[in-house]
Amino acid sequence: QKEVEQDPGPLSVPEGAIVSLNCTYSNSAFQYFMWYRQYSRKGPELLMYTYSSGNKEDGRFTAQVDKSSKYISLFIRDSQPSDSATYLCAMTDPTHDYKLSFGAGTTVTVRA
Amino acid sequence: ETGVTQSPTHLIKTRGQQVTLRCSSQSGHNTVSWYQQALGQGPQFIFQYYREEENGRGNFPPRFSGLQFPNYSSELNVNALELDDSALYLCASSLDPLAGGQETQYFGPGTRLLVL
Repeated sequence: QKEVEQDPGPLSVPEGAIVSLNCTYSNSAFQYFMWYRQYSRKGPELLMYTYSSGNKEDGRFTAQVDKSSKYISLFIRDSQPSDSATYLCAMTDPTHDYKLSFGAGTTVTVRA
Repeated sequence: ETGVTQSPTHLIKTRGQQVTLRCSSQSGHNTVSWYQQALGQGPQFIFQYYREEENGRGNFPPRFSGLQFPNYSSELNVNALELDDSALYLCASSLDPLAGGQETQYFGPGTRLLVL
């Protein structure tokens, strides 16, 4: 079993829809959680970073962490065609915070 | 502020050859990590360099090695290339671990390696 499992997708949504992305993890030592966006043939770009359970909002993006269920989510409101990309969840624990463990990514297409 | 840069952007090698990939960290960052991203997969941690020494290593064989230089730039070397080494190689930089925040890593555009 992989340490981090991510809903594989792909997802295709109309412009303006809410996009919901999810990851589960098995390592209870994970304390830091990130979401990266990766456009085709580019490197991952850090979108959101959180270290506590609950919600964190940044513009159209909301990251949600539930440590008791080992479950994290990213919501994108009012989705735009420019949001079309692969979204990767990543996480790490304080003892090994040099190493990020990634999900396999979910590819999202927002249709105009 | 200068972001993470990598060179070359693309590379084609044959099985058994050796390759060197290069990375310059983001300004203000002295820690560099390397990841391998196979097609359709998330990045896999190879190793991290801090103060010119390896600071942690993932599950990769010894033929994957690295260096960090005094200006914080870094190289990834892969010997005896295998077909499965074909992937996007990503470099990420972060702040000094002693200052905290090294879990926040910023990635470069990657080097796409094809092994034939």
